[in-house]
Order: sequence, then structure tokens, then C-alpha cells
Amino acid sequence: SYVLTQPPSVSVAPGQTARITCGGNNIGSKSVHWYQQKPGQAPVLVVYDDSDRPSGIPERFSGSNSGNTATLTISRVEAGDEADYYCQVWDSSSDRWVFGGGTKLTVL
Amino acid sequence: EVQLVESGGGLVKPGGSLRLSCAASGFTFSSYSMNWVRQAPGKGLEWVSSISSSSSYIYYADSVKGRFTISRDNAKNSLYLQMNSLRAEDTAVYYCAREGRAQGGPFDPWGQGTLVTVSS
Repeated sequence: SYVLTQPPSVSVAPGQTARITCGGNNIGSKSVHWYQQKPGQAPVLVVYDDSDRPSGIPERFSGSNSGNTATLTISRVEAGDEADYYCQVWDSSSDRWVFGGGTKLTVL
Repeated sequence: EVQLVESGGGLVKPGGSLRLSCAASGFTFSSYSMNWVRQAPGKGLEWVSSISSSSSYIYYADSVKGRFTISRDNAKNSLYLQMNSLRAEDTAVYYCAREGRAQGGPFDPWGQGTLVTVSS
């Protein structure tokens, strides 16, 4: 089965740039979606199809995807960005949705 | 406003059954695939099941296949998850989520979730 690997945690100071990676075999050939989840809340879509942003999501959130790694980049990080972030792909070979294990973003 | 509201969670004994519901509003429910995703306490997201707009395509995670059944009623704008032979490891918050396109689209929005606890 397809596996997505994320670092358990990423820490960054306010105003700096956070990069959260999502590794998978040839993930560059798939569409990657990213979700933000704050404690006690449902996940919220922040980037879809590798690099598109839903309406209402700040331009500070961007994404890229190539080779075996997809990356969610959060520029000018704010305290309110502290959350868990999950990547997701559709595995067409098994007809299954797959989520990464999640990354906890800590704003120092 | 697009909205999803889950209900039906609760405490159930191992081996028992429970039926979750998800009421949709604010969009043409019959045009979208729908999904169930769960999150065990302190753990990450786990996809559970998908159903296409007309119920033609249904998929399950291996962890629930044969025990859970997803269904929908487009006339009632509702999604369901029948859960049988429940186990302790099925304890989780269960979310319903709309899929953005026929296959492979992002999940947006999500409901607020309903907690299922399997314990004796």
C-alpha cells in the first residue's frame, strides 16, 4: 500500500518560513492536498492539487510537488498557524485515500 | 453556507453496532462524492470509506472492510455509516467530508465530527 511520510514536528520562529514535507514513492505524479487541524477542531483544507489555495486561505500558504517529495510552505509564520498539518493523496492503484502521519507545527 | 453535521456517535460495547449520519446543506449533495474519515484520540487522520455521487463506486479502508457499510440518500441529503462488529480500536472521532471532484479531489468542507467510543 502507498505510504506518505511526514516529520512528526517542525518548529519555527514567528516571521520565519516553515516547510513541511510529505514523502512518497513518485508522489510528484499525484495530486497532493494539505489540511490544517487545530486542537479540538475539524481539519481545514489549506492547499489542494499540489499548489492551489482555497478561497480564504492566506497567500502565505503555498505548496509544491516533485519527485518523491511534496512540500507545504508557510511564509511569515504567525502564532495562529500553530497546528497539525496533514498531506493526502488518492492511490489509484489500490483505490484508497492515504493521509500522512501529520506534522505538528510549533511557533516558538 | 455549505455545512455538514454528523450525528449518531456514542458509547457502544465491543461487538456492538452503531449508525452514523451526516446531514448536508448548502450545496447540491447529489453531485458530490462523500467520505468518512476518523481520528483516534491523540492520533492522526485515517480515511475510512468513500461513496460516489450515485453510489456506483464504494471504497473501504482495509481496517473496516466487511464490518462497515457506507450509504447515502440523495433525496434526504444524507450520508450514513453503518458500523458493525465494533472493536476498541474503532474508538475515534468520525468526520464526514465532501470530495471536491469525481475522484481524487480535496476534502472540503468537513463536519465537526462525532465521537464513537467502543468500551465494555
